[in-house]
Amino acid sequence: DIQMTQSPSSLSASVGDRVTITCQASQDISNYLNWYQQKPGKAPKLLIYDASNLETGVPSRFSGSGSGTDFTFTISSLQPEDIATYYCQQYDNLPPRFGPGTKVDIK
Amino acid sequence: EVQLVESGGGLVKPGGSLRLSCAASGFTFSSYSMNWVRQAPGKGLEWVSSISSSSSYIYYADSVKGRFTISRDNAKNSLYLQMNSLRAEDTAVYYCARDRVVTPGFFDYWGQGTLVTVSS
Repeated sequence: DIQMTQSPSSLSASVGDRVTITCQASQDISNYLNWYQQKPGKAPKLLIYDASNLETGVPSRFSGSGSGTDFTFTISSLQPEDIATYYCQQYDNLPPRFGPGTKVDIK
Repeated sequence: EVQLVESGGGLVKPGGSLRLSCAASGFTFSSYSMNWVRQAPGKGLEWVSSISSSSSYIYYADSVKGRFTISRDNAKNSLYLQMNSLRAEDTAVYYCARDRVVTPGFFDYWGQGTLVTVSS
């Protein structure tokens, strides 16, 4: 099974700050990597697919990059409504596996 | 608008059974693979099971293999998860999620979830 790691596990930033989360796969997954946002008490929401493609309707301040084993998720200017936990997830191989999540809050 | 609505959760004793349902609307259900993904209280996301559009391909996480059965009824636009021999560690919110691509794991739409609590 492919293992996914994320860092940091949590972060606190100010409104307007640039926020970066990294995700690493235990083996090459090409670009079969998605990013999800989960707000408290809500279902996850797909933000970025195939490592760098913005899902329709998602604000352009969200972006993703990377391929192989190392990936990055960025919020270019943090907004109050971005408070959530963010998960990376690989779908190159079964089982699909999520990273442990990164909790983002406002400083 | 794509909608997925889960139901059937509740409190069940260890060793008991429960059947979850997911009602789909707003898309051609019979064209998409579907999944169950769960989240234990305060924990991360765990994929549970996947079923292809025609039920030809079915996959399970090792943690539920032999105890859970996924199925679907395309005529009723519904997805199911039969859960037997439930354990305390199965306590979680269970989400149904649509797969955008043929290979399992591209979850583009999610339901709101249904809570399953396994406790004596």
